[in-house]
Amino acid sequence: GAGVSQSPSNKVTEKGKDVELRCDPISGHTALYWYRQRLGQGLEFLIYFQGNSAPDKSGLPSDRFSAERTGESVSTLTIQRTQQEDSAVYLCASRLAGGRTEAFFGQGTRLTVV
Amino acid sequence: QQQVKQSPQSLIVQKGGISIINCAYENTAFDYFPWYQQFPGKGPALLIAIRPDVSEKKEGRFTISFNKSAKQFSLHIMDSQPGDSATYFCAAVTRDTGRRALTFGSGTRLQVQP
Repeated sequence: GAGVSQSPSNKVTEKGKDVELRCDPISGHTALYWYRQRLGQGLEFLIYFQGNSAPDKSGLPSDRFSAERTGESVSTLTIQRTQQEDSAVYLCASRLAGGRTEAFFGQGTRLTVV
Repeated sequence: QQQVKQSPQSLIVQKGGISIINCAYENTAFDYFPWYQQFPGKGPALLIAIRPDVSEKKEGRFTISFNKSAKQFSLHIMDSQPGDSATYFCAAVTRDTGRRALTFGSGTRLQVQP
């Protein structure tokens, strides 16, 4: 596709349910990032995938959060047993790694835990 | 060493005025500095970027000034317009493929008053 695509765009879930968020990066972009952005706040790094290397999971806030990426394509972010504090916009970005390249963001998934 | 410090957190400017946002970094391995603009409900989008071998880059009303020795860079928005009201993030990029390849500042919320 022409840009980074995220789905769903909005998700309302009940506390305690699991949710899965999807990111389709730009074709050929080896690096993929997930960020969390709470209302009016900055970008909180969650996880980074680069090619076939082990992902950098250092930003995941708890073991309820996990993410996978199939090769250099789709990534899914899973939040288990959602809590109200998980409510935020989850942004995915991709870029060509290893050079002076910028990241391209998707529109984000707005997650609301009720 | 991975931090990019951004200031101010928020900024109010009158229409026609100059908006200035500052960023500073420590890691000398950073060698590319993009700025992102984010409107409410949207993902951040690349606005302008600079390499450290130049001291200034201008695109329309937007200018990046770069001071390599001080490890500082800034975004200037000339003739600020209400449509510029958004959150601005600076970022720094290295050539390596680790997570530290991309680091964001904490963001500046700009409000341009008519």
